[in-house]
This record gives sequence, structure tokens and C-alpha cells, in this order.
Amino acid sequence: GAVVSQHPSWVICKSGTSVKIECRSLDFQATTMFWYRQFPKQSLMLMATSNEGSKATYEQGVEKDKFLINHASLTLSTLTVTSAHPEDSSFYICSARGPFSSYEQYFGPGTRLTVT
Amino acid sequence: GQNIDQPTEMTATEGAIVQINCTYQTSGFNGLFWYQQHAGEAPTFLSYNVLDGLEEKGRFSSFLSRSKGYSYLLLKELQMKDSASYLCAIVDSNYQLIWGAGTKLIIKP
Repeated sequence: GAVVSQHPSWVICKSGTSVKIECRSLDFQATTMFWYRQFPKQSLMLMATSNEGSKATYEQGVEKDKFLINHASLTLSTLTVTSAHPEDSSFYICSARGPFSSYEQYFGPGTRLTVT
Repeated sequence: GQNIDQPTEMTATEGAIVQINCTYQTSGFNGLFWYQQHAGEAPTFLSYNVLDGLEEKGRFSSFLSRSKGYSYLLLKELQMKDSASYLCAIVDSNYQLIWGAGTKLIIKP
């Protein structure tokens, strides 16, 4: 149990376009989901915490107007990278707070974004 | 402030034992996770410690000393597939995960 999926697994887009990444909890309801970004050879960087039915909480330095997060249901959160630029190229990973504890996180497989 | 320290990179030989250390200073403590992450993939759960002592799970063991702000992950009978990054993460007082930078483990034949 506690499976999280992400779609797409990889995407290439042109500079200036927007890209939407979906994160789904497949067999449990996730009131809280997290979005991370990871650059090569670096650790995970938390971008925002997404709570179902309310606005996401963004970490310091993360532009909320550029990285739009919508947690519309208990099984789906989306991250939209608006007006993408090459520096936004990264590995984006979502996780969901598990159904059995208040702290364990289950990770999606990640989305590799390349902006050309 | 919050700080988690892990070695950046370690090298070990197939079949051997390796210990990856993690020291931390955080605002509150509600447990420590170890995750494994292969290149290009998401992290996968290895262990969770909240009480002092050693937790053994197959070839992997994790140790915690809360008074010392210290944990280690012990990998035995190393296999080539164990080549990965190992991430230490602390659950702080707000039940948020604070991540270390990770230790890249290289296994040589």
C-alpha cells in the first residue's frame, strides 16, 4: 500500500511555455503532499507543502506565482511550472504523507523536466 | 538553526561492510529516517528510528543516539546494487522532514 504516482515521468518543453506535473496517491487519501526539486548531485529541496482544499505553503525563495500548486482532491496535487526557463530544468519529486503516521512520506517516481 | 551533516561520498568494496554517519542539530526531534536514492529515481524508505538503539533489518541496520544527535546506517555484505545515495532526514518539532545532503556510496568489485 501507500503508492504514489507522478505524470509525466519526463518532459521536454520550450522556454516560455508552462508544464503541469500530476501527483496521485493511488491507494490512500493524502491530505498533505509535498513538492521537492532536486538538482544533479544535490539533495532534495522542499518547494512547498500542499494541503487539500487550501493554499499551498511555499518555502522561502520559491516563487508561488511561478510554481502553481493545486491540491484539489484527496488523491491529486498538481504542480504547474509557468513560463519555464532553462534554469527550471530539474528533477521534480512529489511525496504524500502516509496514511499510517503523521510524518512518513511516500515518494512518487519523479518527473525530469528539461527546458530548452 | 537546523543542520544535518553526512559525508559527501564514500567508497567500499563488494561484500564488505560500510557505516554512513549522520549528525544533526534541529529544532525538536520526532525521529530520523534513512532513505536510499538511486540516480534518477525517487528516494525509497529504508528505516525509521525514534528511540535510542540499533534497528536491524536484513543487511541494513540503523542506529540512533538522541543525546549525541547522531545516527548511522550500517550496510553489510555489500552488493553492487547498493551503489546509491543515502539520505538522512529528521522529523522536526512541526513534523516536517529536514533533509541531509546525502552520501553517495560507490561500491567497487
